[in-house]
Amino acid sequence: AQRVTQPEKLLSVFKGAPVELKCNYSYSGSPELFWYVQYSRQRLQLLLRHISRESIKGFTADLNKGETSFHLKKPFAQEEDSAMYYCALIPNTDKLIFGTGTRLQVFP
Amino acid sequence: DARVTQTPRDKVTEMGQEVTMRCQPILGHNTVFWYRQTMMQGLELLAYFRNRAPLDDSGMPKDRFSAEMPDATLATLKIQPSEPRDSAVYFCASGLSGGANEQFFGPGTRLTVL
Repeated sequence: AQRVTQPEKLLSVFKGAPVELKCNYSYSGSPELFWYVQYSRQRLQLLLRHISRESIKGFTADLNKGETSFHLKKPFAQEEDSAMYYCALIPNTDKLIFGTGTRLQVFP
Repeated sequence: DARVTQTPRDKVTEMGQEVTMRCQPILGHNTVFWYRQTMMQGLELLAYFRNRAPLDDSGMPKDRFSAEMPDATLATLKIQPSEPRDSAVYFCASGLSGGANEQFFGPGTRLTVL
């Protein structure tokens, strides 16, 4: 079955601390993986996708096929990073399969 | 700056009433998605259209929910009759089919069924 697992509902860190939001997926083929973010009172938006191999707002995510993971990392968290983060998978069609999300709280 | 629009933004209704939510996708996008967001389940896909044709509505309770695209500029999600457990935020998203294309989300409709 195709599934995305985000084990942490809430992750709290202090400003300047490293952040890692975990994402594991279940899919037998080669997946397309994404991170979407929802800031307070804003609409859900794409943060990054693995195919682009990009760093957005200091965040990076590396696809590890051996561990079936796509963890989101940032070396130094900022208060404005506080948001809801969703990991998502496109198996082989257009539709996204989302994880349940992780709320990141960054304290000053 | 093209954006997905949704109406209404907030809806409070009583159990048993019909609820219709509307979505205007970004012009030129050929895929439209309806999602439901709850604290417990996160984002669940309810229905998915490509070129206005419904491709997947397996996530939708068939007895009370229906989704349609009467034309390329309008998608609707209807609940009849509504129940308290339907209370959630409903998002519409649109995109271009094929590959790792981004989905663009609307602001959502917050539904409260009393």
